[in-house]
Amino acid sequence: DTGVSQDPRHKITKRGQNVTFRCDPISEHNRLYWYRQTLGQGPEFLTYFQNEAQLEKSRLLSDRFSAERPKGSFSTLEIQRTEQGDSAMYLCASSLEEGQSYEQYFGPGTRLTVT
Amino acid sequence: RKEVEQDPGPFNVPEGATVAFNCTYSNSASQSFFWYRQDCRKEPKLLMSVYSSGNEDGRFTAQLNRASQYISLLIRDSKLSDSATYLCVVNTGSTGGFKTIFGAGTRLFVKA
Repeated sequence: DTGVSQDPRHKITKRGQNVTFRCDPISEHNRLYWYRQTLGQGPEFLTYFQNEAQLEKSRLLSDRFSAERPKGSFSTLEIQRTEQGDSAMYLCASSLEEGQSYEQYFGPGTRLTVT
Repeated sequence: RKEVEQDPGPFNVPEGATVAFNCTYSNSASQSFFWYRQDCRKEPKLLMSVYSSGNEDGRFTAQLNRASQYISLLIRDSKLSDSATYLCVVNTGSTGGFKTIFGAGTRLFVKA
C-alpha cells in the first residue's frame, strides 16, 4: 500500500502528558498537511510543509503543538501537556505541487483521547 | 460568517433519487475547490476536483460559480453505498500563505 500512513491509530493519554504522532506521506508528494477533526465538524487545518519547510501555521496551533518534517519525508506532530480539549482525530494528508491543484490524500488518522 | 458553508443535513433520499449539495465560500481569492466523501470514523477521500467549466465523473457532477462564490455537487441515481458525509473544500493562497478550509459537511442517507 503506497498511501498515507499514520501511527499510532489510537492513543489514550492522561491530561498533562506529551504525545507524538507520526505521518508518512505518499513518497513522491512534497506537501504534507496536518488537520484536527472533532465530531460533527470538518477537518480543521493546523499546518503544512513544503518539503522540510513549515510554511503555514493555523492560529489553532497553540504553543503546546509543534510539527516537524526534518528530511522532507515523514512528519511528526507533538502535543505537550495535553488537555481534554485536545481529544480529537488528527489527520495527515499529502499532495503533489502540480500547478495549483493541490489534491490532498489523507491517512487513516490518529484518534487521541485525553482522560 | 464561516469561510466555507454547506447545506445543513442530513439528507434522506430513496435509492435512485437525484440529490444536490451546495457550498458557498467567502474568500474571492480562493483558487482550488474539491468535494470529499467521508464515511463514519474514516478519513476523507477525494471525490472530485471542481472546475469553472464543470466536471462529471459517472453519476457525479460538480460545478463552480466564481461570481457567486458557490460550488455544487449533484449525485444522480443514488446508491445505498453513497451514504456518507460530503465535504466541500476550498484552498486559498499561494505557497507562503496557503490554507485549506473544509466545510462542516452534509450527511447523506440513501435508503432502499
